[in-house]
Amino acid sequence: DAEITQSPRHKITETGRQVTLACHQTWNHNNMFWYRQDLGHGLRLIHYSYGVQDTNKGEVSDGYSVSRSNTEDLPLTLESAASSQTSVYFCASSNIRAPYEQYFGPGTRLTVT
Amino acid sequence: QKEVEQNSGPLSVPEGAIASLNCTYSDRGSQSFFWYRQYSGKSPELIMFIYSNGDKEDGRFTAQLNKASQYVSLLIRDSQPSDSATYLCAVMDSSYKLIFGSGTRLLVRP
Repeated sequence: DAEITQSPRHKITETGRQVTLACHQTWNHNNMFWYRQDLGHGLRLIHYSYGVQDTNKGEVSDGYSVSRSNTEDLPLTLESAASSQTSVYFCASSNIRAPYEQYFGPGTRLTVT
Repeated sequence: QKEVEQNSGPLSVPEGAIASLNCTYSDRGSQSFFWYRQYSGKSPELIMFIYSNGDKEDGRFTAQLNKASQYVSLLIRDSQPSDSATYLCAVMDSSYKLIFGSGTRLLVRP
């Protein structure tokens, strides 16, 4: 069955370290998204991609980067982790024909100490 | 900044009642509206979408859209304890990105 996975599911890191969160989907979707979810803020878009080699900044992109070298993966990198980046991170994907129907991964809970 | 507003709740209703969840949006040009459900500790899942003014029904769920007043609502009839979750309203912008509200937590009391 097609799916979208994220790893790690939980991560504790120290301020200033570089961290990469993985997202892998087997839906063969062109569109992929990274969100963070914090209490009181809902889901906020960090970066998104509409295809290989395409990346775009979302609402809260400062301190984050992504790259898209293939259809299946969109890793999210925190260049220098800050305590304000403690959050739950969700990856999502959708296909061109139904871009609104986003399939979400299980989430990664990141704690920056 | 385009915004989607929801009351955070919790909205508490007894089992069997109608739960009414509301959402307002700021971008008058928005065309597409979505409701996602998120159980505690889980990821969001799409349950309804609506494009046209009026009502759209799917089983126990009804989405209502009023573009003139810029609000979207979700009605859940015959609410069950299993409906207890956070309901996220989302609006699609012109570049196919979803803008989410902060969600309304629904609690259905047995």
